[in-house]
Amino acid sequence: GAVVSQHPSWVICKSGTSVKIECRSLDFQATTMFWYRQFPKQSLMLMATSNEGSKATYEQGVEKDKFLINHASLTLSTLTVTSAHPEDSSFYICSARRKRSHYEQYFGPGTRLTVT
Amino acid sequence: AQKVTQAQTEISVVEKEDVTLDCVYETRDTTYYLFWYKQPPSGELVFLIRRNSFDEQNEISGRYSWNFQKSTSSFNFTITASQVVDSAVYFCALSSQYGNKLVFGAGTILRVKS
Repeated sequence: GAVVSQHPSWVICKSGTSVKIECRSLDFQATTMFWYRQFPKQSLMLMATSNEGSKATYEQGVEKDKFLINHASLTLSTLTVTSAHPEDSSFYICSARRKRSHYEQYFGPGTRLTVT
Repeated sequence: AQKVTQAQTEISVVEKEDVTLDCVYETRDTTYYLFWYKQPPSGELVFLIRRNSFDEQNEISGRYSWNFQKSTSSFNFTITASQVVDSAVYFCALSSQYGNKLVFGAGTILRVKS
């Protein structure tokens, strides 16, 4: 077990529109979910940490009004990129931490966002 | 602050060669976790190993082995008899005891040629 899914796997949108990416833990409850961003040929950078039922904690330099995160249930977190611009094009990866697990994060397959 | 350094940006080897990927970390925590992940071209991260700071035993899993040395803050990864399918980006990562944040190294691109 410990499967994490993301939807969509890829998306193309026009500049100025908003895009929502879903992250689901399929077979376990995730009290904490993490959102990472990965630019081409670069490492993963943590954007924010979301805990079920509370506001997300954003890393320094990440605009919380632009990247809206909602963790409404123990199996679902969403990342909405508002008013997307070409520079937001990236690979977005979520991970989920199992309830009562302090260190194990299970990663989703990622979502490739292209803003034209 | 926590930091992970993977000094090797890219390594190219010929199939069946052994290859070692270096990872050096910095942390002030006494309890922490170290990880290695593989990212093939598909993009999905594949978990390879987790090691906690109190367990310095080296580990071997098939063609993979890991050498953890606290004295040098290193957690190196060796692939024995490399195969073309091993071609990927490999990331070393570090988290605190409470797993609030995974800090990734820059990654090492491994190219295995036939």
